[in-house]
Amino acid sequence: EAGVTQSPRYAVLQEGQAVSFWCDPISGHDTLYWYQQPRDQGPQLLVYFRDEAVIDNSQLPSDRFSAVRPKGTNSTLKIQSAKQGDTATYLCASSLEGSYTGQLYFGEGSKLTVL
Amino acid sequence: GDSVTQTEGLVTLTEGLPVMLNCTYQTIYSNPFLFWYVQHLNESPRLLLKSFTDNKRTEHQGFHATLHKSSSSFHLQKSSAQLSDSALYYCALSDRMNYNQGKLIFGQGTKLSIKP
Repeated sequence: EAGVTQSPRYAVLQEGQAVSFWCDPISGHDTLYWYQQPRDQGPQLLVYFRDEAVIDNSQLPSDRFSAVRPKGTNSTLKIQSAKQGDTATYLCASSLEGSYTGQLYFGEGSKLTVL
Repeated sequence: GDSVTQTEGLVTLTEGLPVMLNCTYQTIYSNPFLFWYVQHLNESPRLLLKSFTDNKRTEHQGFHATLHKSSSSFHLQKSSAQLSDSALYYCALSDRMNYNQGKLIFGQGTKLSIKP
């Protein structure tokens, strides 16, 4: 079974540039999460979807960040006008609602450096 | 709000000694679900242990933890550290309600460094 796939693995930007991260969850997983992990910190939830619907985006900086999951499968996280403070690894994770395990399966992450 | 506290940022031990990493939490959830995730260098976090049963020991890969709701704790232990245990360890909390199980709140993490 394929795991969670993310791309690109690395991105280096100047402040003000935009970047998009893509995530392909485990097949059949209806719930998809985007976490931000700054260096030497724990992952922090940005947004999560159940199928194509946003369940919680309260921690997503809406002025510059956006996330979509139009068909309830793959997802894209976009950062417009990046700032140095956005430097972090962006982790995508997926799970199956109703599995009663609570377990998330993480991708390898997309490491963003904003100069 | 809900939170997870890991008091040690770095724990350095000699191989063979016992490991204990602390985790306490605060939550409004009536049915908290506690997890330990491990993250090796340049890898993504993966689940190590989980529990929602009060006072029941859970074990996996030589590690064990017991959820104590009375003290809001879920400390991670191992009897004898191995070099391969060197990694970042995250304690995490979620609500056991099935619609919200995956919304994890992570602690800051503890870096475990095992020396020969």
